[in-house]
Amino acid sequence: IAGITQAPTSQILAAGRRMTLRCTQDMRHNAMYWYRQDLGLGLRLIHYSNTAGTTGKGEVPDGYSVSRANTDDFPLTLASAVPSQTSVYFCASSDSRDSNSPLHFGNGTRLTVT
Amino acid sequence: GQNIDQPTEMTATEGAIVQINCTYQTSGFNGLFWYQQHAGEAPTFLSYNVLDGLEEKGRFSSFLSRSKGYSYLLLKELQMKDSASYLCAVLDSNYQLIWGAGTKLIIKP
Repeated sequence: IAGITQAPTSQILAAGRRMTLRCTQDMRHNAMYWYRQDLGLGLRLIHYSNTAGTTGKGEVPDGYSVSRANTDDFPLTLASAVPSQTSVYFCASSDSRDSNSPLHFGNGTRLTVT
Repeated sequence: GQNIDQPTEMTATEGAIVQINCTYQTSGFNGLFWYQQHAGEAPTFLSYNVLDGLEEKGRFSSFLSRSKGYSYLLLKELQMKDSASYLCAVLDSNYQLIWGAGTKLIIKP
């Protein structure tokens, strides 16, 4: 089934530890995104990638890094986790960032930093 | 600053009609999206409006007034499975998506 796969589904992480959230899409979409979703707030963009080999900062990039070595994969790394990074993380993709193409979302990773 | 406003929560009865409003103030406008998100799941695309007027898609319709910075999502013949959060998002002049916090819709039998 075509779509976006995120792993892990959930994770409890000790503060200060490093963690990589994985995201893979098989739709050959050019653009990919990482969002966090917190209660009472809209989705907030962390980082994005217009195409393989390029990345950009979103609204809340501090404490996170991404890479886009190929079209399919877009991992998100927390170098040293802090409790404020407790959230649900969604990876998404679209045909193109500079267009009206809708976003396709993965099922999310629920991360708790203790 | 850029802002999207939606009601936090709404309640409606199975079989009825409900209208979820969204008002926005953004730097430019390149369209407005509605997404549905069931609890614990990913958002899924419902509709896109860029011109004024009503777009109908089955039981769901979406309306846009650019001059008023206003949109609504209309759900007819409500079913229990329509219980979900509905997210409004605006594409600004830089093609950045600005998201509302979502409206949680509770359907009662």
